[in-house]
Amino acid sequence: GAVVSQHPSWVICKSGTSVKIECRSLDFQATTMFWYRQFPKQSLMLMATSNEGSKATYEQGVEKDKFLINHASLTLSTLTVTSAHPEDSSFYICSARELGQGAANYGYTFGSGTRLTVV
Amino acid sequence: AQSVAQPEDQVNVAEGNPLTVKCTYSVSGNPYLFWYVQYPNRGLQFLLKYITGDNLVKGSYGFEAEFNKSQTSFHLKKPSALVSDSALYFCAVRDEGNTDKLIFGTGTRLQVFP
Repeated sequence: GAVVSQHPSWVICKSGTSVKIECRSLDFQATTMFWYRQFPKQSLMLMATSNEGSKATYEQGVEKDKFLINHASLTLSTLTVTSAHPEDSSFYICSARELGQGAANYGYTFGSGTRLTVV
Repeated sequence: AQSVAQPEDQVNVAEGNPLTVKCTYSVSGNPYLFWYVQYPNRGLQFLLKYITGDNLVKGSYGFEAEFNKSQTSFHLKKPSALVSDSALYFCAVRDEGNTDKLIFGTGTRLQVFP
């Protein structure tokens, strides 16, 4: 089945530094990727939708200058948390929209998530 | 606007007993509904979906769900729970706009006791 590889699985960084999270679709082309943030014991909050070759669409309240999203190819999307602060510590998950014909092939594949801790 | 509700924060069930995790939805058109499971510090794993066809959908790991249009529900079920089923379960519906994004419920923690 479709696989999305997300790296790193966990990262610890110092306040003020930037962190890049990568998501790759391994065996399919993902024209659309979604980036979520999840706080402990809470649901997923959609941060932005990225489409290959175009600017990401950010959800209301998400700082686009802080969470830079790049979707330069059909298999790679990146999220960069710039000038990270402790309040950015969270679990970040990407998801790719699978292309396909018909309802049977319609779906989303999720990465394994990245635990970011800013100290 | 479309939405998904998971009314139970936690469901407790004894191993071997049937389990149900509830989900109701609100959409104006025909819903695309999904169930995902999340283990600690992991991403979401797909269990099953309803887009069209039979109302009873069978998915991974012995789970199934029934699409009930009149009750706008899509409850997740399993005839015999396993301790290893203990995890966080999310119901989701596809956004009816042109964004293609998923709208998630708040999640239900399933605890299966030996």
